[in-house]
Amino acid sequence: SQQGEEDPQALSIQEGENATMNCSYKTSINNLQWYRQNSGRGLVHLILIRSNEREKHSGRLRVTLDTSKKSSSLLITASRAADTASYFCATLNAGGTSYGKLTFGQGTILTVHP
Amino acid sequence: KAGVTQTPRYLIKTRGQQVTLSCSPISGHRSVSWYQQTPGQGLQFLFEYFSETQRNKGNFPGRFSGRQFSNSRSEMNVSTLELGDSALYLCASSLRTGGEFGTQYFGPGTRLLVL
Repeated sequence: SQQGEEDPQALSIQEGENATMNCSYKTSINNLQWYRQNSGRGLVHLILIRSNEREKHSGRLRVTLDTSKKSSSLLITASRAADTASYFCATLNAGGTSYGKLTFGQGTILTVHP
Repeated sequence: KAGVTQTPRYLIKTRGQQVTLSCSPISGHRSVSWYQQTPGQGLQFLFEYFSETQRNKGNFPGRFSGRQFSNSRSEMNVSTLELGDSALYLCASSLRTGGEFGTQYFGPGTRLLVL
């Protein structure tokens, strides 16, 4: 079963616009990660934010984490057609026994129109 | 470094057969996790192997099994295939230490179709 939900399920924007995706989860976490998947291929790791961090940046990506609300958001600025993909949040639960087990959200399908 | 490799990339089987999928992790990575991805259930964790031992297991029936070899390569086996086992099977490797603790690097997946 999935950890939580992602919102929206699908997002369609024009090149140059910003895209924001949200993720909610249910349990205490060690960290939260975002992955991208193109057309049913393997997942590509984008960014990781630890439970004691509130915001992190990597290039055009900005991730925020609110552990009190058990939610995270991924912002992609100045989007490009090449950003078209499915985006998943994944959590690594707190506690040493959960290592290696990521729990994924349902994903957001992002379409960026040229 | 070479990425995670999975073989075969595509596979067609019939109900009742068994299948073995292979995963070679990134050099130096000793943890290998397996996931099943379907349109209905999304990405679900199958199991994780580290140092040739299963460390975590997801909620899948015993028909799903795996193992890891001394060179960290891993295989997963599905016996008595069912139509619902049709899915993209992804493996991921990771380090169990370091700043990006828990970051997983995924292979391209094996797409299994059960007829």
